[in-house]
Amino acid sequence: EDQVTQSPEALRLQEGESSSLNCSYTVSGLRGLFWYRQDPGKGPEFLFTLYSAGEEKEKERLKATLTKKESFLHITAPKPEDSATYLCAVNQQAGTALIFGKGTTLSVSS
Amino acid sequence: GAVVSQHPSWVICKSGTSVKIECRSLDFQATTMFWYRQFPKQSLMLMATSNEGSKATYEQGVEKDKFLINHASLTLSTLTVTSAHPEDSSFYICSARDRPTNEKLFFGSGTQLSVL
Repeated sequence: EDQVTQSPEALRLQEGESSSLNCSYTVSGLRGLFWYRQDPGKGPEFLFTLYSAGEEKEKERLKATLTKKESFLHITAPKPEDSATYLCAVNQQAGTALIFGKGTTLSVSS
Repeated sequence: GAVVSQHPSWVICKSGTSVKIECRSLDFQATTMFWYRQFPKQSLMLMATSNEGSKATYEQGVEKDKFLINHASLTLSTLTVTSAHPEDSSFYICSARDRPTNEKLFFGSGTQLSVL
């Protein structure tokens, strides 16, 4: 049973076409929800941490939001350099590893 | 942010040989490091938790005799894939927290292993 589910699996956008990525989770006792960016052949790069429902974080064209059951990563006016796989992860217990979803692969064309 | 260095970036080996992957925390000490494996278009799957000075904790289904983990110091953990087979070909990534109170993980750049 998947604890972290991301959708869509792949997303193609035109430059400037805003959209959102979804991450739903079923873990109890959430100790943080994390968004990472992963480029091909590289390790994940940290983007955001969200801890409680209603929390929002922003960085350049990205904005992450959190509810009790899901998180969204909003991409405003994306550019080709935003093309990557975006991973969502959760932490259930202090000091333990993160549990990852399968990711959404975003392709932005000019 | 904290830096986790992983080497090599890629390695090709013959079936039956062993391969060692190193993971170093460059600007912090890590009592715990985590080793993940990632197959194409799949999620990062936790293999094991590496604890400095003690035995690693392996996830269910991960063979501890095949994937040897050594965490000899606060800045170095190694993963050795013993008697590698083609099905071990995958992307291996290590990670760590820069301090116990920080929930986020910092990741190495990963190692692509190809077993012929």
